Amino acid sequence: QSALTQPASVSGSPGQSITISCTGTSSDVGGYNYVSWFQHHPGKAPKLMIYDVNNRPSGVSNRLSGSKSGNTASLTISGLQAEDEADYYCSSYTSGSTVVFGGGTKLTVL
Amino acid sequence: EVQLLESGGGLVQPGGSLRLSCTASGFTFSNYAMSWVRQAPGKGLEWVSGISGSGGSTYYADSVKGRFTISRDNSKKTLYLQMDSLRAEDTALYHCAKDRATVTPRSSLDYWGQGTLVTVSP
Repeated sequence: QSALTQPASVSGSPGQSITISCTGTSSDVGGYNYVSWFQHHPGKAPKLMIYDVNNRPSGVSNRLSGSKSGNTASLTISGLQAEDEADYYCSSYTSGSTVVFGGGTKLTVL
Repeated sequence: EVQLLESGGGLVQPGGSLRLSCTASGFTFSNYAMSWVRQAPGKGLEWVSGISGSGGSTYYADSVKGRFTISRDNSKKTLYLQMDSLRAEDTALYHCAKDRATVTPRSSLDYWGQGTLVTVSP
């Protein structure tokens, strides 16, 4: 149950697009279409932004999109806004019927 | 409106026990898998345990297997986490979370509680 690998930080200017990667193995990310992405502002509960690789819950901006290729999933945020600044975590279902999170990525909007 | 409210956290000595509770409202509790997720100070999110909607299947992270027990009482719409043999590294904010899945937790945790703080220290 090793954590999924995410970059520690990414940054972008307002209006730009950024992509956060999430690398696992064939036993988690690569083996199932059960990858989720969460936005987490310190002191608040995490918020589900993407589930099942590329599905957005109701109310989540269509500026966010998810994808997967092999053992790596990605979250893309287009048209960056100041309110997007937060920590982002990926997670995946695993072959052991458990869930594993990534280490988290701090997004800074310059 | 979906609401999840955790309780039961506190200060406990190493080797001690604690039981966390999570009371749910706003959805048909028995229809959904539930999970506990923790965040240690300055660290990232860590999935701890999950349970099917019926309560018949339970799942644990290796870090807590054999020490923690997850359960649920669907009549009371309440999720539990019994934590035994606690260690300093279990110190964290513990969140309960509802999954979109009904049986096995799929990581699609669409509603979270604010969390309850567990501190393990002499």
